[in-house]
Amino acid sequence: DAKTTQPNSMESNEEEPVHLPCNHSTISGTDYIHWYRQLPSQGPEYVIHGLTSNVNNRMASLAIAEDRKSSTLILHRATLRDAAVYYCILKAGGADGLTFGKGTHLIIQP
Amino acid sequence: GAGVSQTPSNKVTEKGKYVELRCDPISGHTALYWYRQSLGQGPEFLIYFQGTGAADDSGLPNDRFFAVRPEGSVSTLKIQRTERGDSAVYLCASSLAGLSSGANVLTFGAGSRLTVL
Repeated sequence: DAKTTQPNSMESNEEEPVHLPCNHSTISGTDYIHWYRQLPSQGPEYVIHGLTSNVNNRMASLAIAEDRKSSTLILHRATLRDAAVYYCILKAGGADGLTFGKGTHLIIQP
Repeated sequence: GAGVSQTPSNKVTEKGKYVELRCDPISGHTALYWYRQSLGQGPEFLIYFQGTGAADDSGLPNDRFFAVRPEGSVSTLKIQRTERGDSAVYLCASSLAGLSSGANVLTFGAGSRLTVL
């Protein structure tokens, strides 16, 4: 799987939007962009994924650059429960697993 | 159950002992994965099962680690002659195989925390 680059940590205030960036300049044409998050003392949790177009679901939005070399996970209104490590992962075809980096540690201030 | 279940949630053992960690995946999920996570790091891939067979065991660190999935459902990760460096959280995940391209989504359990004294 191609490599992604994320900031080590980010801080935001409660009830404000959060934009988590991810760079993936070596992405291939068939790689999907996945985001997972891991709350303290829990396993990773799926957030969202996309290929080329922007995606929205109940948890977040995913904005994908036109050249696909970067993407942004958007939490529209952060709550304290969104404090977690967020992982941006490129996923090639097939049923094989995910390769995790260190992710971004998101801190939410009340 | 509705999610991936892992037991035990915590295991403390002594160096040199044998340990088994169990994973009960979501019903109907044919793909099962084991990961290991050390403090401050992202999960590290160990092994992946498609049905009963290990499709990729390239992440197993050495021959002290072994995993089985005899009936294509529950899986057991076995660690022989445990060492202090084996201390970590062991995560299990499952997914529906056969999804096209890279759209396969994994569901993780809460993990089993292993401490080797």
